[in-house]
Amino acid sequence: EVQLVESGGGLVQPGGSLRLSCAAPGFTFSIYWMSWVRQAPGKGLEWVANIREDGTEIFYVDSVKGRFTISRDNSKKSVYLQMNSLRVEDTGVYYCVRDRDWLGWDYWGQGIPVTVSS
Amino acid sequence: QSVLTQPPSASGTPGQRLTISCSGSSSNIGANYVYWYQQFPGKAPKLLIYMTIERPSGVPDRFSASKSGTSASLAISGLRSEDEADYYCAAWDVSPRNWVFGGGTKLTVL
Repeated sequence: EVQLVESGGGLVQPGGSLRLSCAAPGFTFSIYWMSWVRQAPGKGLEWVANIREDGTEIFYVDSVKGRFTISRDNSKKSVYLQMNSLRVEDTGVYYCVRDRDWLGWDYWGQGIPVTVSS
Repeated sequence: QSVLTQPPSASGTPGQRLTISCSGSSSNIGANYVYWYQQFPGKAPKLLIYMTIERPSGVPDRFSASKSGTSASLAISGLRSEDEADYYCAAWDVSPRNWVFGGGTKLTVL
């Protein structure tokens, strides 16, 4: 069974850092792109970043470039999102997503809340 | 504001056919596939349509989609109360190179 389990969220002050983790047991993790998608409270979805199967290609939305870093460890079947210089507008629920490229985002984690507030 | 434009709300009665539009540009919808996601309150989104017109297994054939130029649409026929949800369109944008979403459409079944 495909499972995506996020962890690492919480409350942080503006300018602070958080590292989100997503464990992905139950499927051959190393052959899939992975993405992070977020949703601010009461707002729509926003794609944040994705990473190729082997980590050699990475893309970010402009608003997080230079502050967030996506990475993966295929031996641990995990993908990470290091978030630095956090801003109030980064507040939201962050979803880990299996990214099947042109076949769409077919599995989503339950979401992990991140709150940036003083 | 979102790169792709959707109506913020839509409503219909049970059994009705309803469409939700998604407008973009030549760098996203005009150049690539369109995706649709369904999200219930407090839940993670679910893939509804991929590669513009394809339905994943398990998605009822009441859901269909199409694209023309820089616009796309999701159609729901035989509307049911359980279709009440938020619907989002998405596409890859070639400039800048990232995924973009519509702002979402809240569907109400009256």
